[in-house]
Amino acid sequence: DQQVKQNSPSLSVQEGRISILNCDYTNSMFDYFLWYKKYPAEGPTFLISISSIKDKNEDGRFTVFLNKSAKHLSLHIVPSQPGDSAVYFCAASRISGTYKYIFGTGTRLKVLA
Amino acid sequence: KAGVTQTPRYLIKTRGQQVTLSCSPISGHRSVSWYQQTPGQGLQFLFEYFSETQRNKGNFPGRFSGRQFSNSRSEMNVSTLELGDSALYLCASSQTGSRTDTQYFGPGTRLTVL
Repeated sequence: DQQVKQNSPSLSVQEGRISILNCDYTNSMFDYFLWYKKYPAEGPTFLISISSIKDKNEDGRFTVFLNKSAKHLSLHIVPSQPGDSAVYFCAASRISGTYKYIFGTGTRLKVLA
Repeated sequence: KAGVTQTPRYLIKTRGQQVTLSCSPISGHRSVSWYQQTPGQGLQFLFEYFSETQRNKGNFPGRFSGRQFSNSRSEMNVSTLELGDSALYLCASSQTGSRTDTQYFGPGTRLTVL
């Protein structure tokens, strides 16, 4: 069962515009969420996180929004740059039970110059 | 500070063989987690080690095992390889392994099973 879903396998955006990557989850026990970015031939790198006590977290050009009632989070990149072209993974975790992150299947973002 | 290193980077094996992958965490990091990445499934958690003890385990068969040494280096072993084990295996380290502790990933080992 895919508890964390990224339904868009790919996304293309023009340079300078906003990129919006979406992630849905099914387990209401998840209370901590992260986004990772992955370039080819490299491991994922941490981008930004959000706790369920917040609905928004910003870090420079990157903002993550959390809608708990809809079990939905999104990553906004503004403005998008060609160097942002990568695969983006969202991940979720819960405080109880085994410690682990559940990752989505990833969205490949291509920023067109 | 050196990043997470994984060896080997590429590996080709045949069905039925076994394989051992190695991960050296960032100096001072005591938690090492292993993930399997496949195109359709994303990153799936295998297990986590902290101070030489397996702390958590994902839903993988017993053919997948691991261990951690006193210097925090970790190895993952897969026995009786199957075609479906072909994947990118990633390890990640963090200082304490807490959920809010940033995980740093290595570049991965690409395993191909023929």
